[in-house]
Amino acid sequence: GNSVTQMEGPVTLSEEAFLTINCTYTATGYPSLFWYVQYPGEGLQLLLKATKADDKGSNKGFEATYRKETTSFHLEKGSVQVSDSAVYFCALTTTGNQFYFGTGTSLTVIP
Amino acid sequence: DTGVSQNPRHKITKRGQNVTFRCDPISEHNRLYWYRQTLGQGPEFLTYFQNEAQLEKSRLLSDRFSAERPKGSFSTLEIQRTEQGDSAMYLCASSLGGGAPEQYFGPGTRLTVT
Repeated sequence: GNSVTQMEGPVTLSEEAFLTINCTYTATGYPSLFWYVQYPGEGLQLLLKATKADDKGSNKGFEATYRKETTSFHLEKGSVQVSDSAVYFCALTTTGNQFYFGTGTSLTVIP
Repeated sequence: DTGVSQNPRHKITKRGQNVTFRCDPISEHNRLYWYRQTLGQGPEFLTYFQNEAQLEKSRLLSDRFSAERPKGSFSTLEIQRTEQGDSAMYLCASSLGGGAPEQYFGPGTRLTVT
């Protein structure tokens, strides 16, 4: 079946620190992979995506590379800011219809 | 384009009552999805429409749940005889479909069943 496993949080970092949030997946077929972000009191927002192996998605300084050999899609950012404090969800779809989400990783960035 | 909107944002109801939520998708999107999210978990798929046709339903969608999208625009999700276990955030999303699979989410309706 299809599933996503994310590293458990919460994660607390100082401003300008390096961020990695691990995500691995299991899928039947060839999934597209996504990172969504949920800021406090807001809905899920698409952060970045990758639709095939070795693709790199990037947005707002965040990056993630679709690694088929390790079935991973880790989220990275070189220098986090306080405004990056949010919950991050890794997700996949194989059909473009039903999405499978991880449990989310809460990030808090302190000044 | 104002994004996906959902109403109401919050709903408190007593066990056994019926509730209905509304979702207005992004206007040019022909696909609409409902998800449920409980505290500390990621969203779980409930059902999906392409235009007015309901094409997929999760096992999570019990007989007490029904969703409609009568004119292929807005959608409603009704829960009959609510139970405390129905307390959750109900999320709506929409997409263009085809080669653009990304879904755009609304702010959600938080349901509390007392």
